[in-house]
Amino acid sequence: NAGVTQTPKFRVLKTGQSMTLLCAQDMNHEYMYWYRQDPGMGLRLIHYSVGEGTTAKGEVPDGYNVSRLKKQNFLLGLESAAPSQTSVYFCASTQDRYNEQFFGPGTRLTVL
Amino acid sequence: DQQVKQNSPSLSVQEGRISILNCDYTNSMFDYFLWYKKYPAEGPTFLISISSIKDKNEDGRFTVFLNKSAKHLSLHIVPSQPGDSAVYFCAAMDSGTYKYIFGTGTRLKVLA
Repeated sequence: NAGVTQTPKFRVLKTGQSMTLLCAQDMNHEYMYWYRQDPGMGLRLIHYSVGEGTTAKGEVPDGYNVSRLKKQNFLLGLESAAPSQTSVYFCASTQDRYNEQFFGPGTRLTVL
Repeated sequence: DQQVKQNSPSLSVQEGRISILNCDYTNSMFDYFLWYKKYPAEGPTFLISISSIKDKNEDGRFTVFLNKSAKHLSLHIVPSQPGDSAVYFCAAMDSGTYKYIFGTGTRLKVLA
């Protein structure tokens, strides 16, 4: 099992460009989450999904969109990147809400 | 408004001694709490969890205590080892929304 994988690992964007981060899990988990980690801010929840076809807003959803068309994949989109979106992005999944989350290795995004 | 707070950004402990990491929360809908460990350039990994119906959970060198009336939890590591040096995050699950909310982290350094 690969667990949770994230693509790409690194990316540099210019302000205004768009991109999609892909999260994939092979554990048949129902719940998936996107977080960003910034210095001194910990992990902040962007969006999450409680099952295929569902999405919900987290703590800091502005400027991001998500889709969960397939159970194993959770996509995070930036339509018009801004320097404030420079961060490390982590995806996580869990089978149910009273279990541990499994995290991916992260995507380091820089917006110039 | 920070719903999960880790007020100590860093902690240094001598090898073999006890490490105590603290976490406070404000949301009374939180009913499941977790601790994660994070090394640089990696995703967080699960350490230990506790349900709100318990006040203590133990796993080897790691013990988590929950004081619901004070809305406080702590992680005890005994004995501390140099390999425990990492950033520790506490997290809480909101039973109403299924969101996991993380604290800002405490960097633990165990001195040999």
